[in-house]
Amino acid sequence: DIVMTQSPDSLAVSLGERATMNCKSSQSVLLSSNNKNYLAWYQQKPGQPPKLLIHWASIRESGVPDRFSGSGSGTDFTLTISSLQAEDVAVYYCHQYYSTPLTFGGGTKVEIK
Amino acid sequence: QVQLVESGGGVVQPGGSLRLSCVASGFTFSTYGMHWVRQAPGKGLEWMAFIQYDGGNKYYVDSVMGRFTISRDNSKGTLYLEMNSLRAEDSAVYYCAKGLITSYRIDSWGQGTLVTVSS
Repeated sequence: DIVMTQSPDSLAVSLGERATMNCKSSQSVLLSSNNKNYLAWYQQKPGQPPKLLIHWASIRESGVPDRFSGSGSGTDFTLTISSLQAEDVAVYYCHQYYSTPLTFGGGTKVEIK
Repeated sequence: QVQLVESGGGVVQPGGSLRLSCVASGFTFSTYGMHWVRQAPGKGLEWMAFIQYDGGNKYYVDSVMGRFTISRDNSKGTLYLEMNSLRAEDSAVYYCAKGLITSYRIDSWGQGTLVTVSS
């Protein structure tokens, strides 16, 4: 199974400042035949289901603000919120869809400082 | 737009059974693979099971293999999760989720249904 490890567990950032969180997979999720990383990021607010933000490691889902960006390849990935807004308070999960069993990271909780 | 509406959750005793349903709308259900994902109270997301668009292939996480069964009825646009031999650690919100045609990626989620296993 591919283990997804997120860090930090939580971070507090001032409004308008940058928030950066990391995700590491125990095996590469890069498929060499199509050069795609099977890595997604989800945002989950309290009492709501997760919402897809980023797929293929760096492609923003339609309608997602451009302050959200994803980067990385292979086993190391990053989600960045360039200018934190109040509505971005949530837990963020990375997720590999490279192989079953699909797995999620433990989440990074983002709060306002 | 895509809508996924789960039902069937509730309180069940350890060792008991429950069947969850998920009615899909807003897309061609029979074309897409579907997932069940759960989230224990205050915990993270745990993928449970996947079923191919035609029901041909099914995959499970080890912890539910042999106890849970995923199925679908494309004529009714409905996904199911049959859960047997339930344990306290199966208590969670269970989400129905839509995959893609070309990958397992989840792009839409239902609101979830709560299952509580308790005596």
